[in-house]
Amino acid sequence: EVHLLESGGGLVQPGGSLRLSCAASGFTFSSYAMTWVRQAPGKGLEWVSSLSKSGDSTYYADSVKGRLTISRDNSKNTLYLQMNSLRAEDTAVYYCAKSGSGFGDKDYWGQGTLVSVSS
Amino acid sequence: QTVVTQEPSFSVSPGGTVTLTCGLNSGSVSTSHYPSWYQQTPGQAPRTLIYSINIRSSGVPDRFSGSILGNKAALTITGAQADDESDYYCVLYMGRGIWVFGGGTKLTVL
Repeated sequence: EVHLLESGGGLVQPGGSLRLSCAASGFTFSSYAMTWVRQAPGKGLEWVSSLSKSGDSTYYADSVKGRLTISRDNSKNTLYLQMNSLRAEDTAVYYCAKSGSGFGDKDYWGQGTLVSVSS
Repeated sequence: QTVVTQEPSFSVSPGGTVTLTCGLNSGSVSTSHYPSWYQQTPGQAPRTLIYSINIRSSGVPDRFSGSILGNKAALTITGAQADDESDYYCVLYMGRGIWVFGGGTKLTVL
């Protein structure tokens, strides 16, 4: 059974840093691209970043480019999101999602981890 | 700036049919946008319903279907049920690995 478990969220001050992790199990992690999507409290979904299965190709929303970095460790079956220079508007639940077999398919989602940026 | 548009809210009667749409503030949605649709109930993670215009994700009932209607992507729910009451989001591919979500539609079944 596929499981995605996010961790690393919490309260951080503006300008601070945080690293999110997404531990994957139940599938061959290295064979699938992965994505981070976030949702601010009471707001809609926002695509944040995606990463190819090898980790060689990364993609970012303009709102996070230069501050957030996606990466993966295929030996540990884990996806990461390094978050630097955090702003209040980064406050959100961050979900990781596994790509499926078809283009644009996200067939499994984690339950999310909450990041709160506040002084 | 690219804005993906969705109806903020919609209502449907139980057993009825509803079509939610997903458009662009400038231009038309086409097959090259590979529209996907997600369902989300409060406090839960999103669930993928449709990807690449009209392909149902595993386990999604055939009451849910996707299409391109005119200049928009569309999600049609036939035979609406009470537990279809959720938020529905579309996302469009903008090229170069970039995706943009719409603001979501709150669907009420009553």
